[in-house]
Amino acid sequence: AQKVTQAQTEISVVEKEDVTLDCVYETRDTTYYLFWYKQPPSGELVFLIRRNSFDEQNEISGRYSWNFQKSTSSFNFTITASQVVDSAVYFCALSERRYGGSQGNLIFGKGTKLSVKP
Amino acid sequence: GAVVSQHPSRVICKSGTSVKIECRSLDFQATTMFWYRQFPKQSLMLMATSNEGSKATYEQGVEKDKFLINHASLTLSTLTVTSAHPEDSSFYICSVVAANYEQYFGPGTRLTVT
Repeated sequence: AQKVTQAQTEISVVEKEDVTLDCVYETRDTTYYLFWYKQPPSGELVFLIRRNSFDEQNEISGRYSWNFQKSTSSFNFTITASQVVDSAVYFCALSERRYGGSQGNLIFGKGTKLSVKP
Repeated sequence: GAVVSQHPSRVICKSGTSVKIECRSLDFQATTMFWYRQFPKQSLMLMATSNEGSKATYEQGVEKDKFLINHASLTLSTLTVTSAHPEDSSFYICSVVAANYEQYFGPGTRLTVT
């Protein structure tokens, strides 16, 4: 069975601090996708990243970076120099990688609520 | 701009009535759409997979007679909550997988049953 675990329920930091959100996943699939989404209070999901299980390279996008390690089944997300606007709930998710590269439905973790205080 | 729309964004209805939520793919055709439900302060859980031209596939524990899904065209799927009760109050979100394999989420519909 597929499962995503986000052990941190809530994190509170002060602006400009770095913060890492943990994500551990379980799957029997040999190919899969991993995702991170941001959900502000409005509720709309904001796509942050999709990572193919073939690609273990870490990725950096501005203040965001992701560390994918298949050996530990982890896909952690780091925000550098956090800002108040980063306050939101962040979800890690997993989907199967179907034939041709398409995605199945997403299995979400329980989310981590990040509060960044000025 | 948005590639998936949902209507309405918010709805309040009385217990016992039915509510229809639309999910539209604006920029591409979608043979498959997913419906998720998110209770307050909880994660998103898949309710059903909507397939164009065929019956929807429901997840275990989701009543297919209560949550009617109709995927009548390649750009529209509807979710009807029949005989709604307060415990059906939730945030309903659809998603669409495009031909480029990206999955796009709608903005969600917040349902409140009084």
